[in-house]
Amino acid sequence: DAGVIQSPRHEVTEMGQEVTLRCKPISGHNSLFWYRQTMMRGLELLIYFNNNVPIDDSGMPEDRFSAKMPNASFSTLKIQPSEPRDSAVYFCASSPTGHNYGYTFGSGTRLTVV
Amino acid sequence: QQQVKQSPQSLIVQKGGISIINCAYENTAFDYFPWYQQFPGKGPALLIAIRPDVSEKKEGRFTISFNKSAKQFSLHIMDSQPGDSATYFCAASTGGTYKYIFGTGTRLKVLA
Repeated sequence: DAGVIQSPRHEVTEMGQEVTLRCKPISGHNSLFWYRQTMMRGLELLIYFNNNVPIDDSGMPEDRFSAKMPNASFSTLKIQPSEPRDSAVYFCASSPTGHNYGYTFGSGTRLTVV
Repeated sequence: QQQVKQSPQSLIVQKGGISIINCAYENTAFDYFPWYQQFPGKGPALLIAIRPDVSEKKEGRFTISFNKSAKQFSLHIMDSQPGDSATYFCAASTGGTYKYIFGTGTRLKVLA
């Protein structure tokens, strides 16, 4: 299994631009998570999908952030417009239904907004 | 009450020594306590996990000790190796939920 695949690995964009991060979860995993990691705030859960349905988006910072999961093998996290304070590493993770199997994280996307 | 407090923030250990990282929690409803290991440029990876019905779990050189009454749990890395140098996160979650509350991380450096 290739694990959780995220793209791009690095993204540098100018303030105000739209940014789209992509994730392919492990096949058969029904739960998908988007996390953000910063030095100041650590790992923060942004949104959780179960069976492609958003269950909890309470961690999404503001309306500039949106996430979709059109099918079981693909999810996107979009930031529009981007701001310098969005600079962080964004991780996608997946797990089998029933969270207590542990998450499998992707390698992350390092986003820099200048 | 949802916080998981992790210490120390950083740790330097000689090769062959024991690395100990501690976490404390308040929410007695937490019932799953995983530890994650993160290398630079990589995502966190599940290392070992414990449930509160046992006081200790060992996997190779890694041991979780759990003290339910004190609401504390710790990760012990025996015979620490330079390859163990990474950031370690403890976490906690409640049965039936998906949310992990992560600690702030401990950056471990094992000197050769």
